[in-house]
Amino acid sequence: AAGVIQSPRHLIKEKRETATLKCYPIPRHDTVYWYQQGPGQDPQFLISFYEKMQSDKGSIPDRFSAQQFSDYHSELNMSSLELGDSALYFCASSQRHLSVWGANTEAFFGQGTRLTVV
Amino acid sequence: AQSVSQHNHHVILSEAASLELGCNYSYGGTVNLFWYVQYPGQHLQLLLKYFSGDPLVKGIKGFEAEFIKSKFSFNLRKPSVQWSDTAEYFCAVNALTGGGNKLTFGTGTQLKVEL
Repeated sequence: AAGVIQSPRHLIKEKRETATLKCYPIPRHDTVYWYQQGPGQDPQFLISFYEKMQSDKGSIPDRFSAQQFSDYHSELNMSSLELGDSALYFCASSQRHLSVWGANTEAFFGQGTRLTVV
Repeated sequence: AQSVSQHNHHVILSEAASLELGCNYSYGGTVNLFWYVQYPGQHLQLLLKYFSGDPLVKGIKGFEAEFIKSKFSFNLRKPSVQWSDTAEYFCAVNALTGGGNKLTFGTGTQLKVEL
């Protein structure tokens, strides 16, 4: 079965550079979520999109932006990178909004993009 | 806002020992509950989920969890662990009312199973 695809898998950037992470959800999934997981930490929610509109926002820095495109893939744009941005960035997708009553929705995670800022 | 607590940060067990990992959430409304596993260097994989109905849910690889609403708990259990269960385990909650479109994760429990 198709899974959530993230690219690139690994990325090395210098401080103050920009990075773009891509996420391709499972076919027919209309919702995408972005998480950041620092070393030894739990995944922290950044932002989510439902039907190409932002549906929730977490602890996403102002230097980061994201969008979901017409084909439902999503991109996370990160500018003015800092050493502290080094982390594993996970994307997840689900078929419909998580908080729809009775939808019994679950989220499927991608392999992640490991970003290293040097 | 919902939050999730996992009380055991590191657990070391011998093979064939029984496992119970605690998970408590704070949210007064209806929730969906999940346990995810993350093997070293890999992505999060769903172990099991609770939406409604029977509070005892069974997942993959012999894991089960029990939802106790009065205790706001969703503890993960396995009667007999294997070396291959060595991984990090995350409890997650989605609040159905006002919780937004996201999963909130606990801090994780690192499980090491020794031969």
